[in-house]
Amino acid sequence: RKEVEQDPGPFNVPEGATVAFNCTYSNSASQSFFWYRQDCRKEPKLLMSVYSSGNEDGRFTAQLNRASQYISLLIRDSKLSDSATYLCVVLHPGRNNNDMRFGAGTRLTVKP
Amino acid sequence: NAGVTQTPKFRILKIGQSMTLQCTQDMNHNYMYWYRQDPGMGLKLIYYSVGAGITDKGEVPNGYNVSRSTTEDFPLRLELAAPSQTSVYFCASRWRGGWETQYFGPGTRLLVL
Repeated sequence: RKEVEQDPGPFNVPEGATVAFNCTYSNSASQSFFWYRQDCRKEPKLLMSVYSSGNEDGRFTAQLNRASQYISLLIRDSKLSDSATYLCVVLHPGRNNNDMRFGAGTRLTVKP
Repeated sequence: NAGVTQTPKFRILKIGQSMTLQCTQDMNHNYMYWYRQDPGMGLKLIYYSVGAGITDKGEVPNGYNVSRSTTEDFPLRLELAAPSQTSVYFCASRWRGGWETQYFGPGTRLLVL
C-alpha cells in the first residue's frame, strides 16, 4: 500500500464549479499535512497546510480526518488558473521530521 | 533574491557516466533537500541536510551522494548513472522553524541512455 494515495484524475470541470480532492495516508503517526500545487513541468509550490481543525484560504478549504487518515481539498468557484496537479503531502514521522511523503497528485483542468 | 537555483536545467547522460547536479539557495536556510520525481509519481526524498557539514539519507539514497560544505550549496552527485535514475530532480530549502518556508528549485531533467 502506498503511504499517500490520491485519485489521479484527471478532473475536468467548467469554470465556476466546485471540485473536491481526496487523499488517504497509511502512517497513523503522521502529524503534519499539506497540499502543494504543481504546474506542468514546474516545481511544486505550497498551497496550504492542513490543520486538525480544518482551514480555509479564500476559495480553498482543507480538512483533516485523523480517525480515517484522510485529507481533503475543496476548491470553490474554479478559475482557469486553478488548472494544475495537486499534491497531497504527509510528513513522515522519521528522519527527525524531515521526510515528506508525496502523493502522485490529482490533475485538474478547468475549462471555459 | 534568486531563491533556489539549480543547474543544469536538462542533461543527457550515458550509462556509467557521472555528474553533479548543483543547488544553491540565497535565503540563508538551514535545511536543504534533494527529491526525485518520476513520471506520474510523487516526489521521493533522496538526501537532506540540516546544516553545513551535516547530511543524511532519505527514502531513496542508493546511487547518489551529497555534501554540504556551505549553507548555500547542496550538490547531488551521481557516480555511475543508470537508466533507473532518469527523472526530474528537485532541490528545496527551508528555515528550521517550519515547512511553510520550504521553496523548491525549478528542477533538473535528467535522461540516462
